[in-house]
Order: sequence, then structure tokens, then C-alpha cells
Amino acid sequence: GENVEQHPSTLSVQEGDSAVIKCTYSDSASNYFPWYKQELGKGPQLIIDIRSNVGEKKDQRIAVTLNKTAKHFSLHITETQPEDSAVYFCAAIPYSGNTPLVFGKGTRLSVIA
Amino acid sequence: DSGVTQTPKHLITATGQRVTLRCSPRSGDLSVYWYQQSLDQGLQFLIQYYNGEERAKGNILERFSAQQFPDLHSELNLSSLELGDSALYFCASSVPLGHQNTGELFFGEGSRLTVL
Repeated sequence: GENVEQHPSTLSVQEGDSAVIKCTYSDSASNYFPWYKQELGKGPQLIIDIRSNVGEKKDQRIAVTLNKTAKHFSLHITETQPEDSAVYFCAAIPYSGNTPLVFGKGTRLSVIA
Repeated sequence: DSGVTQTPKHLITATGQRVTLRCSPRSGDLSVYWYQQSLDQGLQFLIQYYNGEERAKGNILERFSAQQFPDLHSELNLSSLELGDSALYFCASSVPLGHQNTGELFFGEGSRLTVL
């Protein structure tokens, strides 16, 4: 089955700096890679996703890149703000309609004002 | 607000006891997923139901069971509780009736279980 590794487990950045979180996956059949953000006391919420036919996707200050050959994908947050502080999870799935997501262990991002 | 409702939000119980966690999915969503979040363990998939039937099983202990009812709400039953079962249990839903699955999961706010 799929195994997703996520690094780093914790990350502290100064407000305005960039943050990068990296994930690797094991199943070459995986073709859907979402990122979820979990704020304190809340459930995870999808912030961006990418499918295997795309190498990069951007949405305002966040972007995701995918390298299928190396089986890794990354989340990039630019111009970080205090409200970006949260736990971020990457996930992968061999997209077949109803296969459950396999999540990484999460990265706790702290943005220091 | 994701539209997924979980009750109770907090639960404290003793070892050996049994508890039931309840989840109401977003209106019309057919799939319900249960995940366990322990400290430093991320989100561990437990079980998935689709329109009342079990669809996929993850690392769910034999002491745990779940079901999805005709109105699509789901319950996760945890029995013979141990200290190590203390965790946040999340329910998520997906697949609106009549819509193609986009892959997005909508999570509830979780039920925090503490076993003393």
C-alpha cells in the first residue's frame, strides 16, 4: 500500500519569509496529491491539490510542485503570515474514486511575528 | 464550517469501557471515513463506508467497529478501551449524491477521547 513521508515535523519561520514542506510517496500508481491545513481545535481542511498530469499549481501565496519521477511533492508558502500557523498534512491516493487518502504525519508550522 | 458534525466533542472514560462516536456527514455525501489522530502519528485511516456498505478498512483494531445507517450518519464504536486509545477521532465525508468524486474530504471537528 501507499506510504507517505513528510518533512520537517516542525518548522518555524519569520513573518514574511517562505516555508517549504516536502513529502515523498511510495506507490507509483498514486496520482492525486492534496494538502490539508489543520488549525487548532479544527478538523483538517483542503488548501490545494495537484494531480499527476500537472507539475505545478499555484493559488495566491501557496503553490505545490510534483516530481513523479522522484515520487515527491512539496508545498510552498510565500510571504508567510501569522494566520498560516497550523499543522499541514500532505496526502496521496491512487485515485480510483473512493480509495481513502493516506496522510503524512504532519508539519507544525509556526510563523513568528 | 465543513458541514460534517461530530458528537461528542470531548469524552472522558475509564479503561475497559465502551464508547460510541457519532458522525453526520455533509448533506448528500455518500462516503464516510473515520481517522484517528494521535500525538505524532498524523491521521491514521480506520474505515470507510459508502452508502451504507463498508468500502475500505485500514488499521482498525478488532475492538473497534463502525457502521453507516440508511440516513447516512455513521457511528464508531470503541470497546475494551485502553490508555493508548486516547486520541482525536475524525470523521470525514465526500462524494455528493449525483456529483463526480473530486477527491476532497470534508472533516468534522473531531471527538477527543481520553481514557483514564
